[in-house]
Amino acid sequence: GNSVTQMEGPVTLSEEAFLTINCTYTATGYPSLFWYVQYPGEGLQLLLKATKADDKGSNKGFEATYRKETTSFHLEKGSVQVSDSAVYFCALSLMNTGFQKLVFGTGTRLLVSP
Amino acid sequence: NAGVTQTPKFQVLKTGQSMTLQCAQDMNHEYMSWYRQDPGMGLRLIHYSVGAGITDQGEVPNGYNVSRSTTEDFPLRLLSAAPSQTSVYFCASSFGSHTDTQYFGPGTRLTVL
Repeated sequence: GNSVTQMEGPVTLSEEAFLTINCTYTATGYPSLFWYVQYPGEGLQLLLKATKADDKGSNKGFEATYRKETTSFHLEKGSVQVSDSAVYFCALSLMNTGFQKLVFGTGTRLLVSP
Repeated sequence: NAGVTQTPKFQVLKTGQSMTLQCAQDMNHEYMSWYRQDPGMGLRLIHYSVGAGITDQGEVPNGYNVSRSTTEDFPLRLLSAAPSQTSVYFCASSFGSHTDTQYFGPGTRLTVL
């Protein structure tokens, strides 16, 4: 079946540290890959996406590369800020009998301290 | 442009009560869906709709009903609330292709006593 596995949290970092959140997927066909972010008390919002192999998605200093050979889409940021504290969800999207099926990982909480 | 709106933000129910969670979008999206978010489980799809008059079940549909009479609105009905339905509920919408971004509402936190 289709599934997304991401690293358990919480991930605790100091401000300006380097961030990596690992995400791997299993899918039939050719999915699009997404990272969504959920700030405290809010809904999910798109952080970045990549729709085909070797594409790199980037936004707000975050980036992730769609690696088909390793079925991965790891999220990275060179220097995190306190305001990046949130829960990050990796997700894949496939067309399934005519509709967009979005499959989420369990989420990784990031805590950044000053 | 309000995006995806949900009401109410918070709700407490007693076991056996029914209620409707409202969802509306103003982006002319054909595809709308309902998810529930539980600790350690990510988001799970409850029901979805690919257009007005067309709905189908997701992975956890039991205890929930939906209908889609307009493009804009997609309410979720709890028929007889159970404590297992205590969760945060999110509505989402998109144009529906697998490359499209899904836009999420702010969520409804439901507690069933």
